[in-house]
Amino acid sequence: QKEVEQDPGPLSVPEGAIVSLNCTYSNSAFQYFMWYRQYSRKGPELLMYTYSSGNKEDGRFTAQVDKSSKYISLFIRDSQPSDSATYLCALGEVVDTGKLIFGQGTTLQVKP
Amino acid sequence: NAGVMQNPRHLVRRRGQEARLRCSPMKGHSHVYWYRQLPEEGLKFMVYLQKENIIDESGMPKERFSAEFPKEGPSILRIQQVVRGDSAAYFCASSPGAPDTQYFGPGTRLTVL
Repeated sequence: QKEVEQDPGPLSVPEGAIVSLNCTYSNSAFQYFMWYRQYSRKGPELLMYTYSSGNKEDGRFTAQVDKSSKYISLFIRDSQPSDSATYLCALGEVVDTGKLIFGQGTTLQVKP
Repeated sequence: NAGVMQNPRHLVRRRGQEARLRCSPMKGHSHVYWYRQLPEEGLKFMVYLQKENIIDESGMPKERFSAEFPKEGPSILRIQQVVRGDSAAYFCASSPGAPDTQYFGPGTRLTVL
């Protein structure tokens, strides 16, 4: 079993839709959570990070963490064609060296 | 404030040659991480360095791979005697502390012929 599971998709939605991206994990030692966006042949771009259970909102993006269920989500409201990319969840342990464990990434396509 | 810089962006090597990948962290960041992304796979941690120290190399292959972050200059990931399986995108990230948010560079795409 992988430490972090993420459905690779692809996920195709119409412009304006609400997108839900999810990751599950098995290691309860993970204490901080990030979401990255990666366009084709580019480096990952940090979107959201959080250290606690609950919701964190930034513009059209909302990150949700449920530590009891070991489940994290990223919601994108009013999705745009420019949101078409691969979304990676990344998890880390506070007492560890800082290395991140990534999900496989979900490919999202937003159709105009 | 310039982001994380990596060079070269593309590198072609023949089997058996050496590959050297360079990473300059963001200004004010003293922690550097290297990750590898194989085709159709996620990012895999390789090594974490601070100036003149390797802190965690648990993701590095045991042979042919080495990394350094000297007191002056960029961090270097070195792959000796490359094989076709080394073909991948190699990303560097930096952070101001650890654990902390990590910012990634554009990557170096290594192709081994």
